[in-house]
Amino acid sequence: NAGVMQNPRHLVRRRGQEARLRCSPMKGHSHVYWYRQLPEEGLKFMVYLQKENIIDESGMPKERFSAEFPKEGPSILRIQQVVRGDSAAYFCASSSDLALYSPLHFGNGTRLTVT
Amino acid sequence: RKEVEQDPGPFNVPEGATVAFNCTYSNSASQSFFWYRQDCRKEPKLLMSVYSSGNEDGRFTAQLNRASQYISLLIRDSKLSDSATYLCVVGPSGSARQLTFGSGTQLTVLP
Repeated sequence: NAGVMQNPRHLVRRRGQEARLRCSPMKGHSHVYWYRQLPEEGLKFMVYLQKENIIDESGMPKERFSAEFPKEGPSILRIQQVVRGDSAAYFCASSSDLALYSPLHFGNGTRLTVT
Repeated sequence: RKEVEQDPGPFNVPEGATVAFNCTYSNSASQSFFWYRQDCRKEPKLLMSVYSSGNEDGRFTAQLNRASQYISLLIRDSKLSDSATYLCVVGPSGSARQLTFGSGTQLTVLP
């Protein structure tokens, strides 16, 4: 039973380019969360999605960042016109809808480096 | 005040020692509590859930004090492999669905 799958593991972009990060939740999970971890800092919540719906995006920067979780396919976190401050590890997690407060299972993250 | 606060450490302890971490949270309506561990900037992994009655899993004991809004983790007989960053995590309340992570406490177990 595959866990949460994220790709790519490492992504290098030049300033001004776009970054697309993908996340496939665990089988049977329909809740997806994105977290960001800046160097030497803790994980910060960005967005919570269910299939075709954004439930909570209170942690997303207002500009350049967007997320989706289509009916078919993985969840996508998109960062437009990247800047050096976007360099971080981006972790996706999923949970079951069978238990409202079930713990999260994380993917191994995408490390974004903006040069 | 941060939503979830932890002593960042680092805690450097010898093998076999007992070490305790504390964590405080600000939202009294929080419903669920966990300890995660994170190794060398890898993905966080669930260590254990924390229940009101306290719970134990081998060398690890977690306790929750709702009145004082703090959570603790006790590690007995520390192993080298316990070296990691331990994250205190507080669950959703009301309409907020996400988990909130503390910044973590770094533990190094020395031979």
